[in-house]
Amino acid sequence: GQNIDQPTEMTATEGAIVQINCTYQTSGFNGLFWYQQHAGEAPTFLSYNVLDGLEEKGRFSSFLSRSKGYSYLLLKELQMKDSASYLCAVMDSNYQLIWGAGTKLIIKP
Amino acid sequence: ETGVTQTPRHLVMGMTNKKSLKCEQHLGHNAMYWYKQSAKKPLELMFVYNFKEQTENNSVPSRFSPECPNSSHLFLHLHTLQPEDSALYLCASSQRSAGEADTQYFGPGTRLTVL
Repeated sequence: GQNIDQPTEMTATEGAIVQINCTYQTSGFNGLFWYQQHAGEAPTFLSYNVLDGLEEKGRFSSFLSRSKGYSYLLLKELQMKDSASYLCAVMDSNYQLIWGAGTKLIIKP
Repeated sequence: ETGVTQTPRHLVMGMTNKKSLKCEQHLGHNAMYWYKQSAKKPLELMFVYNFKEQTENNSVPSRFSPECPNSSHLFLHLHTLQPEDSALYLCASSQRSAGEADTQYFGPGTRLTVL
């Protein structure tokens, strides 16, 4: 079967760095997405990786290793507004998104 | 600001009611999706429409009935629901070029409670 694993909850301190991991086993691979979802709001697109390596976008970076079935989202200089759930999703061979259950990130002052 | 809107934002209904959820996208996209999001569970894809044609129905019970009159509007008609259908229902759209990965853009969802 297809499976996406990510931690259920993480806590970090304002101003610090946090890394949210995602491992996957899917039938085919057409890229990996990260979304941010604040409570009661729409998931919003953060990043897309299809090749191995690190993609940097401001305070957020996303890494992919296809051979290891592994990705992480790195958030730097954490701000209180970064408190949200972070969703990892893989696009399979049918171009359907397979989703993880999300990681709830709690930022403390 | 999202280019995908959903109404209503909150809905409470009894098991014998009939209601409809509405989604509208202002992005000029060709594909639209319905997802169900339950607490601490992955998003579950329910239906996919590509150029107004339904291309996916992921074993969704018949008490959920989608309708896509044009590429900008998507409805989810609800009837005789069960309490376990209570969840956040998310609509999304994408450009959906065949054979290409594309980004999905989400609406804010309808929080549905079935009594």
